Amino acid sequence: GAVVSQHPSWVICKSGTSVKIECRSLDFQATTMFWYRQFPKQSLMLMATSNEGSKATYEQGVEKDKFLINHASLTLSTLTVTSAHPEDSSFYICSARGSGRAQEVYEQYFGPGTRLTVT
Amino acid sequence: TQLLEQSPQFLSIQEGENLTVYCNSSSVFSSLQWYRQEPGEGPVLLVTVVTGGEVKKLKRLTFQFGDARKDSSLHITAAQTGDTGLYLCAGAEIYNQGGKLIFGQGTELSVKP
Repeated sequence: GAVVSQHPSWVICKSGTSVKIECRSLDFQATTMFWYRQFPKQSLMLMATSNEGSKATYEQGVEKDKFLINHASLTLSTLTVTSAHPEDSSFYICSARGSGRAQEVYEQYFGPGTRLTVT
Repeated sequence: TQLLEQSPQFLSIQEGENLTVYCNSSSVFSSLQWYRQEPGEGPVLLVTVVTGGEVKKLKRLTFQFGDARKDSSLHITAAQTGDTGLYLCAGAEIYNQGGKLIFGQGTELSVKP
């Protein structure tokens, strides 16, 4: 259980275009999902918390108009990188918060990540 | 903002050696998770520790949560090349209702044959 998928796994786009990344919880419902960005050999940097049916909460320094998050259902959250530029090239990872047993609410289950390259 | 100091950040050892990775904070966590990540993939949850002083074992990996729930360690016995990867500790802030995790800087482990 606790499987999270991401699509696409990699994408190359031209500067100025927009890219949408999907994050799905496959076998459980996730009221809360998280979006991270990761640079090579570094830890995860939280971008935003995505809550089903409400607006996302963005971390300080993350442009909410550039990184649009939509959590339309209990199993799907999307991240749209608008007007992408080369500096947006990165590894984007989503996670879904566990539910059920008390311990599990603190656990996050990660998707496989999406490699974005902006040319 | 809580910080989780993870050390060492890089570790290169020979197969068969033992190693320990540490995560320390001045703040108390409700729980602490350890993840392992391979290049080009998402982190995979290894263990969650919740109780102060708790010790959990996963084959050759031993995880410990400090008595005060401010620190944790990961010990690997007789490391194998398959243990190579990025190890991340992450703590749940004690007063955080939103489930956000605080991540350590990560430990890049390389086990050479």
